[in-house]
Amino acid sequence: GDSVTQMEGPVTLSEEAFLTINCTYTATGYPSLFWYVQYPGEGLQLLLKATKADDKGSNKGFEATYRKETTSFHLEKGSVQVSDSAVYFCALRGRGSARQLTFGSGTQLTVLP
Amino acid sequence: NAGVMQNPRHLVRRRGQEARLRCSPMKGHSHVYWYRQLPEEGLKFMVYLQKENIIDESGMPKERFSAEFPKEGPSILRIQQVVRGDSAAYFCASSPTGETGEQYFGPGTRLTVT
Repeated sequence: GDSVTQMEGPVTLSEEAFLTINCTYTATGYPSLFWYVQYPGEGLQLLLKATKADDKGSNKGFEATYRKETTSFHLEKGSVQVSDSAVYFCALRGRGSARQLTFGSGTQLTVLP
Repeated sequence: NAGVMQNPRHLVRRRGQEARLRCSPMKGHSHVYWYRQLPEEGLKFMVYLQKENIIDESGMPKERFSAEFPKEGPSILRIQQVVRGDSAAYFCASSPTGETGEQYFGPGTRLTVT
């Protein structure tokens, strides 16, 4: 079945550092890929998405590129802020009849001032 | 446009009691999904419903768990005879159609079984 593997955390960075959170997936066909962010005590918010190979999703300075050849969707940001501290989830939605999202285990990011 | 609403936000139940979790989707959304998040883990799919229909319940435990989405009113996730292992955050998401992968999540209900 479908699965998502995320870089294990926690990740601690200083403000303005470069961020990469790795995500690889296993799925039949070409799924849609997502990054969600969860702030403490809140639900998940969609951060960005990509629906086909070589698409780049971007939002709030975050980027991720759908790489079919490496089955990856790594999240990057050039300069993190304290307000980016949260848990980040990589997820996929398969192309078949299933409508649910399959999530990775999440990566806790803490940005220090 | 109000987002997905869930209540209660926090629910404490003793072992053996019943838990009822409610989810009101975003206005205009007729597709609802329930996910469970165990401590230190990602979200796991439980069930997908449309109005008055269960479309996919492949992630639901076979016993004690049920879900509905009536023609009127919120979607309900019901857990009978709760056990400590049911303690988790339960998230509801909604989408306008089943075709889009973009699901909008509620704030979650944190269930604690004592």
